[in-house]
This record gives sequence, structure tokens and C-alpha cells, in this order.
Amino acid sequence: DVKVTQSSRYLVKRTGEKVFLECVQDMDHENMFWYRQDPGLGLRLIYFSYDVKMKEKGDIPEGYSVSREKKERFSLILESASTNQTSMYLCASSLRAGNEQFFGPGTRLTVL
Amino acid sequence: QQQVKQSPQSLIVQKGGISIINCAYENTAFDYFPWYQQFPGKGPALLIAIRPDVSEKKEGRFTISFNKSAKQFSLHIMDSQPGDSATYFCAASLSGSARQLTFGSGTQLTVLP
Repeated sequence: DVKVTQSSRYLVKRTGEKVFLECVQDMDHENMFWYRQDPGLGLRLIYFSYDVKMKEKGDIPEGYSVSREKKERFSLILESASTNQTSMYLCASSLRAGNEQFFGPGTRLTVL
Repeated sequence: QQQVKQSPQSLIVQKGGISIINCAYENTAFDYFPWYQQFPGKGPALLIAIRPDVSEKKEGRFTISFNKSAKQFSLHIMDSQPGDSATYFCAASLSGSARQLTFGSGTQLTVLP
């Protein structure tokens, strides 16, 4: 079975802190994604990566950056966390374009 | 820009009833329409998907109906069970697009015992 793991289930940070969210997939998938999930807004794409060191902006990239130095690992970085970034963050991966996306369990981030 | 609109936001159904969730899309180039199911504390998981060359796809109690001319598709859950209580997301994508999926806003389904 495909497994997508996220480094933390719950995270509490202070405004202005730098925050790292880590995601690892174990199935050699080409594509990896970071989404933000908020009630009533569904899943909104922040960034995605279709290859190592390659990244593209999604719908809401402002305030976020990403890093993909190895194929299996995709990191989301909040350079200076703000309260409006309090949310559930979901990582996903897919084998290639057009394939099913597999999601991790999510990280619930609270910024105080 | 929301390209996939989903309704209702929440739905309560009695056990054994039919649950219906609707989605409408704007981009006529979309050619893949999956539904994802998310249980509390879990990430979404693919439930069923359809391509526009067919008008209906059925897997067990779950059916997708697709209306290309109206740019609408819907999920029907027959004989709904309390275990179906979850959040359901429709999505749409373009073939060959690395970005892949644009999601609807989600529907929280509660099936009463």
C-alpha cells in the first residue's frame, strides 16, 4: 500500500516563527502536493512538485515556500507564520499526471 | 477562482436512504472527475471516478452520474449507512496536467442510525 506520512499531526507555533512541515511518500511517486483544508473552502492547492527540485505554485502560494531535494520528500515552509495560516495541511502524492492522489493524515497547525 | 462548485455543504440522511451530492464545473476541458471520501482524522481517499465518455458509473452502493452538456456531475449513495458518514469532495482535472485536481468545497454527510 502507498503510504504518505506527515511529520506531525498537531503543531502549535507563535506568530512570526518559521515553520517546517515534512511529508514523505514511500512509493517512488513523481508528483507531490501540499493542500490547505479549511471548512467550507475544501482543499486548496498551495504548491506542487512534479520532479526533484521542481515546483509550481498552486492557487494560494502566498506566505509559503516548498522544497523537494529528494524524490520521496516534500517540505512546506512558512517563513513567518501568521494567525491566518492556522489550518489543516494535507500532503499528497501521485505516480504521474492523471493518476490517483494519495493523501497523508494531515497536520493541524495552530498559529497563536 | 473556484472552478468546481459543490452542494450541499452538509447533508443528513436516515439509514437506508439515498444521499445525493452535486457538483458543477466551468472548465469544459476537464476530463476526469473523481470523488474523494474523508473520515475524521484521516486524509481524503479516492472513492470513485468517471471520465466524460460515459454518463454513469456504479461501484457497489456508489454511483456517479455525469451530464456533460450541463457541466454537472453527482454522487449518489444508495442504502446509506452510518459508516458512510464522512466528508465528500468532488474534483476535476485535465489529462496530462501535473497539477491534476481542482476540488469542490466538500459535503459533510451524516447518516442517522
